[in-house]
Amino acid sequence: QVQLVQSGAEVKKPGASVKVSCKASGYSFTDYFVHWVRQAPGQGLEWMGWMNTNSGGTNFAQQFQGRVTLTRDTSISTAYMELSRLRSDDAAVYFCARGDSPHDFFEIWGQGTMVTVSS
Amino acid sequence: DIQMTQSPSSLSASVGDRVTITCRASQSISHYLNWYQQKPGKAPKLLIYAAASLQSGVPSRFSGSGSGTDFTLTISSLQPEDFATYFCQQNDATPLTFGGGTKVEI
Repeated sequence: QVQLVQSGAEVKKPGASVKVSCKASGYSFTDYFVHWVRQAPGQGLEWMGWMNTNSGGTNFAQQFQGRVTLTRDTSISTAYMELSRLRSDDAAVYFCARGDSPHDFFEIWGQGTMVTVSS
Repeated sequence: DIQMTQSPSSLSASVGDRVTITCRASQSISHYLNWYQQKPGKAPKLLIYAAASLQSGVPSRFSGSGSGTDFTLTISSLQPEDFATYFCQQNDATPLTFGGGTKVEI
């Protein structure tokens, strides 16, 4: 079936970087965009950006410009989100989600990856 | 950025109740409004897209309406499995934005 499977939980120190993977299966990876959304503990959902898995093009929310990198490896149908210069307020569950376009709703989500930032 | 404001932020209801949640956009977003249900420790689940289209497999007790800036999610008869948090999301423009959520409690 169509699914996105994310990498496991991470614990990082402030100032470090984290890289989360999102492996797609059950569909043609390069036919869809991958979006990233995060959710701080007890908080709402915050959209971070998208990747065009075909072209490699990306777009980010303003607050993540310069700190987030989205990449993909089409040979293994996997998208990656790397967030650098981690702060305590980056502690959150990070989700990948499949979209048809840059402006879309999300029918398929990964299970989420919890990132803890602690010294 | 388009701000999405949900109300109420929480509500208490009983099984069988009719529940209505509203979402207001800071500018017109036509029909580009979606609703999700989220349970603790899980990813959001798409319920309604394009303001009023029911996602496949979602029970018909869920319905959405509205256009422009004002939208509504209605649960016609609340079931035990519906106790969760609900979010709206606009996909008219990036950055895509979500409402703050409505927690539906017993």
